[in-house]
Amino acid sequence: GAVVSQHPSRVICKSGTSVKIECRSLDFQATTMFWYRQFPKQSLMLMATSNEGSKATYEQGVEKDKFLINHASLTLSTLTVTSAHPEDSSFYICSASEGLAGGTDTQYFGPGTRLTVL
Amino acid sequence: GQNIDQPTEMTATEGAIVQINCTYQTSGFNGLFWYQQHAGEAPTFLSYNVLDGLEEKGRFSSFLSRSKGYSYLLLKELQMKDSASYLCVTTSGTYKYIFGTGTRLKVLA
Repeated sequence: GAVVSQHPSRVICKSGTSVKIECRSLDFQATTMFWYRQFPKQSLMLMATSNEGSKATYEQGVEKDKFLINHASLTLSTLTVTSAHPEDSSFYICSASEGLAGGTDTQYFGPGTRLTVL
Repeated sequence: GQNIDQPTEMTATEGAIVQINCTYQTSGFNGLFWYQQHAGEAPTFLSYNVLDGLEEKGRFSSFLSRSKGYSYLLLKELQMKDSASYLCVTTSGTYKYIFGTGTRLKVLA
């Protein structure tokens, strides 16, 4: 149980284009989903937290107009990187938990999406 | 503030036992997780401790001492596939994870 999928697993795009990454909880309802990015040999950096049906909460320094997050249902959240640039190249990982913000619930991570912007 | 310390790298031999230590300072502690992350993959859940003591799960055990701000992950009967990064993760008074930088474990034949 507690499987989270991400699509696509890898994407290469040209500078200036937008890329959408999907995160799905396959066998549970994810009240809260998280989006992280990770640079090589570094730890995960939280970008934003989203609850189904409400606006995402972005971490300090993360541009919400550049990284659009939608959590339309209890099993799906999307991250759209708009007008991507080479510095946006990274490993993007989503996670999902069943709990509401304010509680402590195990986060289950998706397999990640490697984005390369040329 | 929030701070988590764990060794950057460790090396051990196949079949051996290894202990990865983690010390933390967080406000409003709400539990401590250990995750395993293979290179290029997402983290996978190993354990969660919220009370003091040892939690055993197969070859992996995790220990927590809240008064000391200390945890360790114990891996027994090491296998080559255990070569990975091990992330010590705490939670504060909110739902957010606070990640350590991870310990890269190399298992040698």
